[in-house]
Amino acid sequence: DIQMTQSPSTLSASVGDRVIITCRASQSLDSWLAWYQQKPGKAPKLLIYKASSLESGVPSRFSGSGSGTEFTLTISSLQPDDFATYYCQQYKSWVFTFGPGTTVDIK
Amino acid sequence: EVQLVESGGGLVQPGGSLRLSCAASGFTLSNYWMGWVRQAPGKGLEWVANIKKDGSEKYYVDSVKGRFTISRDNTENSVFLQMSSLRDADTATYYCVRYNNCYDNWGQGTLVTVSS
Repeated sequence: DIQMTQSPSTLSASVGDRVIITCRASQSLDSWLAWYQQKPGKAPKLLIYKASSLESGVPSRFSGSGSGTEFTLTISSLQPDDFATYYCQQYKSWVFTFGPGTTVDIK
Repeated sequence: EVQLVESGGGLVQPGGSLRLSCAASGFTLSNYWMGWVRQAPGKGLEWVANIKKDGSEKYYVDSVKGRFTISRDNTENSVFLQMSSLRDADTATYYCVRYNNCYDNWGQGTLVTVSS
């Protein structure tokens, strides 16, 4: 099975900061990678699919890049609503895997 | 509006069984793969299972193989997760998800607590 890692596990940042989260896979995913945002007590929300495609309705300050085994989620200018936990997920086959998550909190 | 509403969660003893249901509305269920994702209290997301549009293919995380069964009834607009031989480690909120550019819609979740 494909294993996923994320770094950092926690990130402290301020409003307006540029934030970059990295996700790595144990084998090539091509571009079959998604990013989700989750706030406490809520279901996750899809942000990015196929590594770099922005889900409808998601602000353009979110962007994704990468292919193969290394991917990044970038928030160009952190907003108050963006403090949350972010998960990557591989979906190369029909056996999916999530990364362990990155929590973005207030510095 | 797409809606996924889970039900069937609750408290169950170790070794017991539970059947989760997911009522889908706002879209044609038979056009989509569906799945279940769980989240233990205070922990990350864990993918559990996927089922093909017509139910002919099913995939599971290793930790639930042989104990959980995903199924669907497209005529009733429902997806199910039959869980048996439940363990403490199965305690989690279980989310029903729709696959469309990965998981584009999630239910609100139903809590399953396995405890004696």
